[in-house]
Amino acid sequence: AQSVTQPDIHITVSEGASLELRCNYSYGATPYLFWYVQSPGQGLQLLLKYFSGDTLVQGIKGFEAEFKRSQSSFNLRKPSVHWSDAAEYFCAAKNYGQNFVFGPGTRLSVLP
Amino acid sequence: EAGVTQFPSHSVIEKGQTVTLRCDPISGHDNLYWYRRVMGKEIKFLLHFVKESKQDESGMPNNRFLAERTGGTYSTLKVQPAELEDSGVYFCASSRQLAATSGANVLTFGAGSRLTVL
Repeated sequence: AQSVTQPDIHITVSEGASLELRCNYSYGATPYLFWYVQSPGQGLQLLLKYFSGDTLVQGIKGFEAEFKRSQSSFNLRKPSVHWSDAAEYFCAAKNYGQNFVFGPGTRLSVLP
Repeated sequence: EAGVTQFPSHSVIEKGQTVTLRCDPISGHDNLYWYRRVMGKEIKFLLHFVKESKQDESGMPNNRFLAERTGGTYSTLKVQPAELEDSGVYFCASSRQLAATSGANVLTFGAGSRLTVL
């Protein structure tokens, strides 16, 4: 069955530190890949997406993600975390014509 | 453009009662989706409308859940009667027409409706 895993339920980093959130997918073929963020009281906001081409994808708010076919991964990174990045992050995948499959989410806490 | 709007933001009801959640998608978005997140678990698909028609309702948990999208605009999701395990956050999302173009694959989500069943 198609699935998306996020091994880290909760991550805490200090403001200014670098961040990497892990995401692995299990699909027969490479799906479309997405990262969404949900801040408290807000809807899910799209950070970035990968469809094809360059495996390093730039998104909003200074985030980037790297697609690695050999590892079936699509990890999210940010070189310097800001306090406003504290939120829950969801990795998602879908094939054309099928529905989104979401990971369980990673909650990010940022220490001052 | 206005985003996806969901009402209510939070509803607390007792087991056996009925609750109706509403979603107003972005104007012009033919595709409307309902998702649910239960107790910190993954967000799971419930169903998908294309205009007023149910394209896929394979994720609906049981017949206590009824979704409608009259006129292809807003949608409602009714839970009747509600059970304890229905507690969670119900998300609505919308997108433009399905196509092979990359933009059609992006969903815009609402803030969610949190349902608490006591």
